[in-house]
Amino acid sequence: GAGVSQTPSNKVTEKGKYVELRCDPISGHTALYWYRQSLGQGPEFLIYFQGTGAADDSGLPNDRFFAVRPEGSVSTLKIQRTERGDSAVYLCASSLTSGGGEQYFGPGTRLTVT
Amino acid sequence: GEDVEQSLFLSVREGDSSVINCTYTDSSSTYLYWYKQEPGAGLQLLTYIFSNMDMKQDQRLTVLLNKKDKHLSLRIADTQTGDSAIYFCAESMNRDDKIIFGKGTRLHILP
Repeated sequence: GAGVSQTPSNKVTEKGKYVELRCDPISGHTALYWYRQSLGQGPEFLIYFQGTGAADDSGLPNDRFFAVRPEGSVSTLKIQRTERGDSAVYLCASSLTSGGGEQYFGPGTRLTVT
Repeated sequence: GEDVEQSLFLSVREGDSSVINCTYTDSSSTYLYWYKQEPGAGLQLLTYIFSNMDMKQDQRLTVLLNKKDKHLSLRIADTQTGDSAIYFCAESMNRDDKIIFGKGTRLHILP
């Protein structure tokens, strides 16, 4: 079956611009996660949705970052006033909960801020 | 705080065993994971171990957990060229909780 998909696969933007990154989770998965992976680092947690609500947004680095999941399926990560330090691969994962389940990761969106 | 440490690089001859080590700081971690990341591919869960276990074996993979020392290891038997990748040690409180990753160990296979 289809896995987690993310669009676009690559995004180049200028410093100060606004970007949106999209994640389509596996059908039926209620939990959705966003992580950020900088070069040479492991993935770093950003935010976790259970259904439509953010269950844990403790990893969002500042108020320029925001994520939504209005219908409990597709999620969009929004970054305002992008900075060069935002350049990274943004990973999305989904899992079938409750009671816990493996997080399946998408291929990521590589964001480059010039 | 939560932290996962692992060596950054390991070089192994094809056919030998690879052992990748990891230490973590959060004693309340319930699940400990090994993920594999190949160039251009997404993160793949290789195996995980529950904190009340000390060993788990799955084909060529053996995971050892020393909870007292907060030390986790992954042994890959008969290492093949296809095992060349970055291996991430990770931990979480629960299966649906956020996952804390180490920086990854790049496994290089020598012919």
